[in-house]
Amino acid sequence: AQSVAQPEDQVNVAEGNPLTVKCTYSVSGNPYLFWYVQYPNRGLQFLLKYITGDNLVKGSYGFEAEFNKSQTSFHLKKPSALVSDSALYFCAVSPLTGTDKLIFGTGTRLQVFP
Amino acid sequence: DAGVTQSPTHLIKTRGQHVTLRCSPISGHKSVSWYQQVLGQGPQFIFQYYEKEERGRGNFPDRFSARQFPNYSSELNVNALLLGDSALYLCASSLAPGQGHGEQYFGPGTRLTVT
Repeated sequence: AQSVAQPEDQVNVAEGNPLTVKCTYSVSGNPYLFWYVQYPNRGLQFLLKYITGDNLVKGSYGFEAEFNKSQTSFHLKKPSALVSDSALYFCAVSPLTGTDKLIFGTGTRLQVFP
Repeated sequence: DAGVTQSPTHLIKTRGQHVTLRCSPISGHKSVSWYQQVLGQGPQFIFQYYEKEERGRGNFPDRFSARQFPNYSSELNVNALLLGDSALYLCASSLAPGQGHGEQYFGPGTRLTVT
């Protein structure tokens, strides 16, 4: 079965420091991987995706993610965190069934302190 | 351009009642998907509709149904509501299944509370 794991319920980081939000996946074949962000009382916003090619993917708001096939990981990173980055982050995988179905992780709450 | 819109924003229903949630996709998008997000969990896929036909279904009971209209808007219906149906219901649109490699645009959601 295809699945996504986000091992940390919450990540705390000081403003200006680098941040990492972890994600591991279990899929058959080559995965399509995504990161979405959810602000309070808002829907999900697309940050970035990995389809194929360069293992380092750059996305919105200065975020990037590194695809590591051997470790089946797709960690989200940002070199310098902002207080406004505080939100709920979801990793997702597409099972490539010919639909847009996404399988989401349980989410990681990022808290950036001033 | 307007994003994905959903109505109503909030809804309170009683167990056993029926509810209808509505979604309008981004202009030009022909595919609509529905997700259920229970508090503290990630969204769970319920349905996808494209060109008025069901293209995918998640692991939800038959109490859940949906349809898509000629203007590509969609309704999600839930019958015989249970307390466990309390959740944020998200609608997402895309150009067509698979064309965005899974990249979808989500609406703000409808918060359903069942008492």
